[in-house]
Amino acid sequence: DVVMTQTPLSSPVTLGQPASISCRSSQSLVYTDGNTYLSWLQQRPGQPPRLLIYKTSNRFSGVPDRFSGSGAGTDFTLKISRVEAEDVGVYYCVQATQFPRTFGQGTKLEIK
Amino acid sequence: EVQLVESGGGLVQPGGSLRLSCAAAGFNFSDHYIDWVRQAPGKGLEWVGRSKNKVNSYITEYAAFVKGRFTISRDDSKNSLYLQMNSLRTEDTAVYYCTRGSDWTYDYWGQGTLVTVSS
Repeated sequence: DVVMTQTPLSSPVTLGQPASISCRSSQSLVYTDGNTYLSWLQQRPGQPPRLLIYKTSNRFSGVPDRFSGSGAGTDFTLKISRVEAEDVGVYYCVQATQFPRTFGQGTKLEIK
Repeated sequence: EVQLVESGGGLVQPGGSLRLSCAAAGFNFSDHYIDWVRQAPGKGLEWVGRSKNKVNSYITEYAAFVKGRFTISRDDSKNSLYLQMNSLRTEDTAVYYCTRGSDWTYDYWGQGTLVTVSS
């Protein structure tokens, strides 16, 4: 199985400041069709996960443009340009290139 | 509006069985893969299994840790997906989410249903 490793596991951030979360996969996530099926999910406290980013860098409908995704191969990053209070929660990367689907262990974003 | 609503969770003894349901609305159910993902208390997300769509003959696939114990089925006439869980273990205690597969991602999630396996 592909192992997804996120860093940091906890990220205290000041409101209005940027935040960055890294996700590294144990194998390349480039599929045979040339696409890279890496997504980012947000889980606010007490809520189900919510899709933010798919195929590495595509924002899902309704996701604020302060969220952006980048990366290639085995190294990926989620960036929040200016953290807002509603961004508090746990962020997960998930890969859909290899079977079975696997998730990162989660990064907890909290406000300083 | 896309909606997924899970039900059927509860308290069950080790070795017991439970059937979860996922009712879908707001989209063409037969066009989509639907997956089950679980989250143990205070832990991360873990893929459980999935039902492919009609075009892919509704093939089901499972994580290694549930094979032989869990069975996924669907009834497109009711826009519903099911997870039959047998031989439950304490480590199966989790919130179980159904989620819609689309463009190789999970774009919509239900609120989840809690399964507690305890004596």
